[in-house]
Amino acid sequence: DSGVTQTPKHLITATGQRVTLRCSPRSGDLSVYWYQQSLDQGLQFLIQYYNGEERAKGNILERFSAQQFPDLHSELNLSSLELGDSALYFCASTTSGRVHEQFFGPGTRLTVL
Amino acid sequence: GQNIDQPTEMTATEGAIVQINCTYQTSGFNGLFWYQQHAGEAPTFLSYNVLDGLEEKGRFSSFLSRSKGYSYLLLKELQMKDSASYLCAVMDSNYQLIWGAGTKLIIKP
Repeated sequence: DSGVTQTPKHLITATGQRVTLRCSPRSGDLSVYWYQQSLDQGLQFLIQYYNGEERAKGNILERFSAQQFPDLHSELNLSSLELGDSALYFCASTTSGRVHEQFFGPGTRLTVL
Repeated sequence: GQNIDQPTEMTATEGAIVQINCTYQTSGFNGLFWYQQHAGEAPTFLSYNVLDGLEEKGRFSSFLSRSKGYSYLLLKELQMKDSASYLCAVMDSNYQLIWGAGTKLIIKP
């Protein structure tokens, strides 16, 4: 158990819909990362937040947005869903230090039908 | 651009040794990470190298050559549970992790 929690574990929805994925980082971690992993693909970095502020952006679509709240939990919002958005979405957190390993949550498996 | 290269898939025999290579070209370097990921599960941290040389941790070792932009992960005494994907990731000058596509390791009895 990494200490990072993600909800829900599974999500099934239809094209065109909007969903919200939630992540709670490890206690004390200020930095949260979001990743997308399609079937048999590598990790695609989406976005990073540090202590409530956006720190870095990766290959995140305009239909996707995220935020980190004062209690440090983070939400990833996916809208106008397409079949190709079906994937595992991971959240990871690190301590405030710059060079630390990332601890990953169990992921949310999103299926768009 | 930034690039991490790893073999897509490797096969090895239970009890043997396997070496998974990773080459990288990134904007700056603040260390290289190896992660293990079982199918459908979250990646878990294996090792971190920032200086040249070999880091040993039980059955797993990781090597780094910064001048060559090269690392390898060495797995000894392979067990069936080592069947997984192994991800190489480099931290660039902006302290962002650049991820390789991963190497799927298949262990045969």
